[in-house]
Parts: sequence; C-alpha cells; structure tokens
Amino acid sequence: GDSVTQMEGPVTLSEEAFLTINCTYTATGYPSLFWYVQYPGEGLQLLLKATKADDKGSNKGFEATYRKETTSFHLEKGSVQVSDSAVYFCALVLQGGSEKLVFGKGTKLTVNP
Amino acid sequence: GAGVSQSPSNKVTEKGKDVELRCDPISGHTALYWYRQSLGQGLEFLIYFQGNSAPDKSGLPSDRFSAERTGGSVSTLTIQRTQQEDSAVYLCASSRTLRGDQFFGPGTRLTVL
Repeated sequence: GDSVTQMEGPVTLSEEAFLTINCTYTATGYPSLFWYVQYPGEGLQLLLKATKADDKGSNKGFEATYRKETTSFHLEKGSVQVSDSAVYFCALVLQGGSEKLVFGKGTKLTVNP
Repeated sequence: GAGVSQSPSNKVTEKGKDVELRCDPISGHTALYWYRQSLGQGLEFLIYFQGNSAPDKSGLPSDRFSAERTGGSVSTLTIQRTQQEDSAVYLCASSRTLRGDQFFGPGTRLTVL
C-alpha cells in the first residue's frame, strides 16, 4: 500500500545550523507531497507542498523538491531558528485516488540557542 | 469562524461509555476529514466526507466507530462502547474542494480509563 517513511528523530540542532529531514514514499500512482508542522501545543499546519515531479515547495525558509526518480521529498532549511522547534510530518495524497493524507511517523526537531 | 474548530478539547471517559466528538469546518469548505493521532500508530485516516456523503470510510477501526455530517457543515464522530485503545487525539480537517489543501483543527484528546 501507499506509505511514507521519515528519518527517525529526535533531531537536535544549534541555532543557524543546516537542517535536512529525509522523506521517501511508496505509491501506486502519482501523489501530491506535503510537509506539515506541529508546533508545541498547536494543531497541524501545512508548511509546503509539491504536486508533480521536479516541483519545489517552499515556505518560511523551508524547501523540498519532489524527486520522482528517488521517490523522495526531503525537507531542508539553511539556517534554523529556535522557533522552528516542532514535529514535522511528511505526507502524500494520491492524485485521482482516495483523498486521504497518508503520513509519516513524524520527526521531532529541537533547536537550541 | 476563521479556522476548523473541534469540541470538546479534552474528553475523559470510562471504558464502555459512548462519546461524541464534534467538528466545525471552515465556512464554505465542502470536504471534511477525520484522522486519529496516537503514540503507537502515528497519524491515521479514519473517514472523509464530500458534502454529506462519506465516499471513503476505510479507516474506521471497527463498527463501534461511526460519523455523520449534516447540512454540509458540522460533523460528529461517535465511538460506542469505548475501549482503552481508543485513547488518542482525534483530528478534523477541511478543504475548500475535494482535492484542496487540508486545514486541521486543534483536535480532541480522548482518554479512556
């Protein structure tokens, strides 16, 4: 079945460090890909998305590129801040199929000053 | 309202009791989704509605779980004869159209004693 695999956390970085959170997917069709973020005590928020191969999603300094050849959608940020501390979820929706989001397990990021 | 709202925010119940969880989607959003977030299983899809119809109920864990949506707006998720394994955060999301971005509510934390 369709699935998303994220790197295991937790991830701890110092402020201004480079961030990569790996995400790969398995899908029978052509998915749209998403990163959601859950800040402490808050609900899930859409961070960025990409709907076709080679598309790059970006928001708040975060980027992810839809790589069909490696079935990946890795999240990157060049310089993290303390306020980026949160749990990050990679997810997919199959285009033309069920509209449900399929999520990875989540990766907890802590950024220290 | 401005966002998806859910009530109650917290619910503690005894094993065997029935519970009802409510979701108010963003005004004008035609699609509504229920997910469950638990430590062991991560984020799981339960059911989605397009208008008042539920084309995909495949994620409901058992026949103790049911959901309805009336007037194309408010939705209620009902769990009958609750069990301890039902303890989780129940999340609701809505989207403007069936394939639009999903916006999440803050969730209802259910604890079954």
